Amino acid sequence: KQEVTQIPAALSVPEGENLVLNCSFTDSAIYNLQWFRQDPGKGLTSLLLIQSSQREQTSGRLNASLDKSSGRSTLYIAASQPGDSATYLCAVTGNTGKLIFGQGTTLQVKP
Amino acid sequence: GAGVSQTPSNKVTEKGKYVELRCDPISGHTALYWYRQSLGQGPEFLIYFQGTGAADDSGLPNDRFFAVRPEGSVSTLKIQRTERGDSAVYLCASSPFLTANTDTQYFGPGTRLTVL
Repeated sequence: KQEVTQIPAALSVPEGENLVLNCSFTDSAIYNLQWFRQDPGKGLTSLLLIQSSQREQTSGRLNASLDKSSGRSTLYIAASQPGDSATYLCAVTGNTGKLIFGQGTTLQVKP
Repeated sequence: GAGVSQTPSNKVTEKGKYVELRCDPISGHTALYWYRQSLGQGPEFLIYFQGTGAADDSGLPNDRFFAVRPEGSVSTLKIQRTERGDSAVYLCASSPFLTANTDTQYFGPGTRLTVL
């Protein structure tokens, strides 16, 4: 059974810092890996999707990497801003397209 | 509308009651997913529809939970004899399901269910 783990559970940093969020998964047979952002009381917004054949994806200040063989992904956020404060969820896609999520990392960026 | 919508946004009910949660997916999306998110946890998969049929219902916790999508668009998640442990945010997502490895799911805002 696929299990996804995210470390740390919570993170607080001052504005401007670069930071890394970690995600690990137990079964390397995935179609893709996605990072989502969730704001309080809101749904999920997809940030980056890395196909199983890819190593990384970038969007603005965000960079996500994937090492399928070791079952790991990282989300790198450069020059963090208070508006980046949210919960970040990692999810892998299994058969039928269903997403299997980690527990999330709650990020607070202090002005 | 442009996105996935869910109604109601909040639902408070008493233990033992029946509830229905509605999801309107993005027009033209053939795939529809239901997830349940408990406080402090990531969403957990419940059921997946491809068109009108449930292609994967392996995440439904027990037979009190049932979902339908009769015309291949709107879906309703039905919970019978609700229990306090059913309290959670129920999320719906849709996707065009073009290819399994490039598909992105678009999520609705969720329905917060509270069972007293």
